[in-house]
Amino acid sequence: DSGVTQTPKHLITATGQRVTLRCSPRSGDLSVYWYQQSLDQGLQFLIQYYNGEERAKGNILERFSAQQFPDLHSELNLSSLELGDSALYFCASSVAAGGGGENSPLHFGNGTRLTVT
Amino acid sequence: ILNVEQSPQSLHVQEGDSTNFTCSFPSSNFYALHWYRWETAKSPEALFVMTLNGDEKKKGRISATLNTKEGYSYLYIKGSQPEDSATYLCASAHDKIIFGKGTRLHILP
Repeated sequence: DSGVTQTPKHLITATGQRVTLRCSPRSGDLSVYWYQQSLDQGLQFLIQYYNGEERAKGNILERFSAQQFPDLHSELNLSSLELGDSALYFCASSVAAGGGGENSPLHFGNGTRLTVT
Repeated sequence: ILNVEQSPQSLHVQEGDSTNFTCSFPSSNFYALHWYRWETAKSPEALFVMTLNGDEKKKGRISATLNTKEGYSYLYIKGSQPEDSATYLCASAHDKIIFGKGTRLHILP
């Protein structure tokens, strides 16, 4: 058990809808990362928060947004959903602000599988 | 654009044999290189995080080396066992942590 909790595990919704994915980081971790894994693609970096502030941004669509709350949990909001947004969304947490420390590997949740129909 | 490349994409190895695979990454603004093991239906689990040129890390039969000047890392598995079957991901930390697509390792009995 990594200590990172993601909910829900599965989500099925229709095109045009909006969903919220939730992540609770491992106790003591201040950084939260969001990654998207689509078919035949690797883990695509979306966004990182550290202690409530946006730290780094990847190729996150404008239809997607995220935030990290004072209790350090994070939410990823996906709106105007398209079929191509169907993917496995991972949240990961680490103790450090960046990925540079030897003691700061990422700890992954089990992912939320989003299916857009 | 940060590009992390892993090779080979897929590998079949006889049980008991040793194997290795490669991760290449941009050497500019480099902070660390991560290796993860990802088993089917599970989430990725960290193996190593390395930061210094020439670093070598070992965990049981698995070890890794790092060359930051030329931008590559090797992962070695000695005496492969069926439980080593998994996808091995590397990730390069710069201003963001970028993953390669992984090497899928199949151990043949």
